[in-house]
This record gives sequence, C-alpha cells and structure tokens, in this order.
Amino acid sequence: GQNIDQPTEMTATEGAIVQINCTYQTSGFNGLFWYQQHAGEAPTFLSYNVLDGLEEKGRFSSFLSRSKGYSYLLLKELQMKDSASYLCAVMDSNYQLIWGAGTKLIIKP
Amino acid sequence: GAVVSQHPSWVICKSGTSVKIECRSLDFQATTMFWYRQFPKQSLMLMATSNEGSKATYEQGVEKDKFLINHASLTLSTLTVTSAHPEDSSFYICSARDPAVSYNEQFFGPGTRLTVL
Repeated sequence: GQNIDQPTEMTATEGAIVQINCTYQTSGFNGLFWYQQHAGEAPTFLSYNVLDGLEEKGRFSSFLSRSKGYSYLLLKELQMKDSASYLCAVMDSNYQLIWGAGTKLIIKP
Repeated sequence: GAVVSQHPSWVICKSGTSVKIECRSLDFQATTMFWYRQFPKQSLMLMATSNEGSKATYEQGVEKDKFLINHASLTLSTLTVTSAHPEDSSFYICSARDPAVSYNEQFFGPGTRLTVL
C-alpha cells in the first residue's frame, strides 16, 4: 500500500528553526509537495521537489532523498503566523497526490 | 498564480436536502479538478477526480450516487451532496490542475464548510 508518515505535532519557539520530516512509500514517484494549512482554511503551496537535494525559498527550505523515501521541510526564523499544519504529499505514478496526515506546528513566544 | 474559487464558503442545511458546491478556475482552464473532504484534525481525503467532459472517477468507499460531480466546462466543476445527513458535515475542498504548470501542482479553492442539521 501507499503510505506517507509525518509527526502528528511539533512545538517550537519563535525565532528558532524547526525541521518537519516526511517519509513515504508510494507506487511510483512524480514529485513531493509541501503545503501549509491554517485551521479552517484550504492548503497553500509551499514547495515542490522532484530531484534529490535542497530547495530554498526564503525562510522555508525543502529537502528530498528519493533513495531513502525521505523529505523534510525546514522553517527558519519562526514567526507566530507559522503556526499551522504542514502537509506532505507525494504524486504517484498516476499523477495522483497521496497525502500525509499533516504535522501541527505550534509556535510559542 | 492560478486562482480557484469555491461557492458557497459555508452552508447549513437540513437533513435530507441536497447541497451544490461550485468550484471555478478563474484564470486558467482546468481539464482536471479534484474534490477532497477533510474532517476535523484529519488530513485531506480525495473523494473523486473530475475530468472535463467525462464521468468523474470516484475513490473507493465514496458513493457516486450520493456525491454527484459534474465538470461541464473547463472552468467549472460542481459537487452535489444529495440527501445530506449529519455525518456528511465536513470541509469540502476542490483543487484544479493548471496544464501550463509543468509539475502538476494542484491549486486549491478556499473550501466549503457544510453543516447538516
């Protein structure tokens, strides 16, 4: 079966750095997405990785290792507004998104 | 960037009635749209994939006669929840794929919160 694993909840301090991990087992791979979702709102796109390595976009970076079936989202200089759920999703061989359950990130002052 | 709208944003209805939710791609033509459902504190659950001009493909366990999907044009897909019951209360989100974006990103609508009394 297809499976995406990520921690249920993480807590970090404002101004700090946090890394959210995601491991996956899917039938085929056409890229991995990270989305941010605030409570009661739809997901918003953060990043896309299809090749191994690190993609940096401002305070957010995303890393992929296809051989390990592993990705992480790195958030730097955390702000209170970063409190949200972070969803990892993998596009399988049918170009369908397989979603993780999401990681709820709590930022404390 | 690509924009997807949904209407209504929230709806409250009585048990047994039907509710229609619209999903529109505003600045691009979406040959494929997706309908998701999300219960509180849970991840997105794909209900169906909607292709313009053809029948929707439903995920296992989703009743196609209860959740009617119509994708009549390249910019509009509708989801009708027929004979709604309280257990259908959920957050319904649509997304659309912009064929101009090379990596098949899905652009999400703002969601529709359905409460069935």
